[in-house]
Amino acid sequence: QKEVEQDPGPLSVPEGAIVSLNCTYSNSAFQYFMWYRQYSRKGPELLMYTYSSGNKEDGRFTAQVDKSSKYISLFIRDSQPSDSATYLCAADTGGFKTIFGAGTRLFVKA
Amino acid sequence: NAGVTQTPKFRVLKTGQSMTLLCAQDMNHEYMYWYRQDPGMGLRLIHYSVGEGTTAKGEVPDGYNVSRLKKQNFLLGLESAAPSQTSVYFCASRSPRGPNQPQHFGDGTRLSIL
Repeated sequence: QKEVEQDPGPLSVPEGAIVSLNCTYSNSAFQYFMWYRQYSRKGPELLMYTYSSGNKEDGRFTAQVDKSSKYISLFIRDSQPSDSATYLCAADTGGFKTIFGAGTRLFVKA
Repeated sequence: NAGVTQTPKFRVLKTGQSMTLLCAQDMNHEYMYWYRQDPGMGLRLIHYSVGEGTTAKGEVPDGYNVSRLKKQNFLLGLESAAPSQTSVYFCASRSPRGPNQPQHFGDGTRLSIL
């Protein structure tokens, strides 16, 4: 079992839809949770960062962590075609290494 | 400010050939990483370094070697390439100031082994 599990999709939604992306993890020592966005033929870039449980909002994006159920979520409101990308969840214990999920490919249709 | 630069961007090798992938960062980061990304597998850590002159194995180190002779450079070597090493390789760097510091990625090297 991978430490961070993520459905690879693809997920296709119409423009303006609310998108929900989810991951589960197995290591209780994870304290730091991140979402990276990766456009085609580019490297991942950090989108959102959350420490421990709770919500964090940044514009149209909300990251949510529930440590009791080991569940990580990213919500995108009013999705745009420019949001089409692969979204990778990631978790970190605070050490040197970050564990990444497989990534979910998202397509937002105009 | 270039960030993380990977060379080459594309390469095709024959089985058994060797090559070195170069990663350079200009952010003065202590930590550097090499990942491979394969469909459905996500990013898997090959090797990493926590400072100049140090290296450590990651999740999938077999068939690869690395060197960090200079702080800004991290080299990934394939001594005898195999078709299973066909992948997209990403280098990343990070400041050690805290786990909230993001990893900064290059744009990848697409490697095909025939």
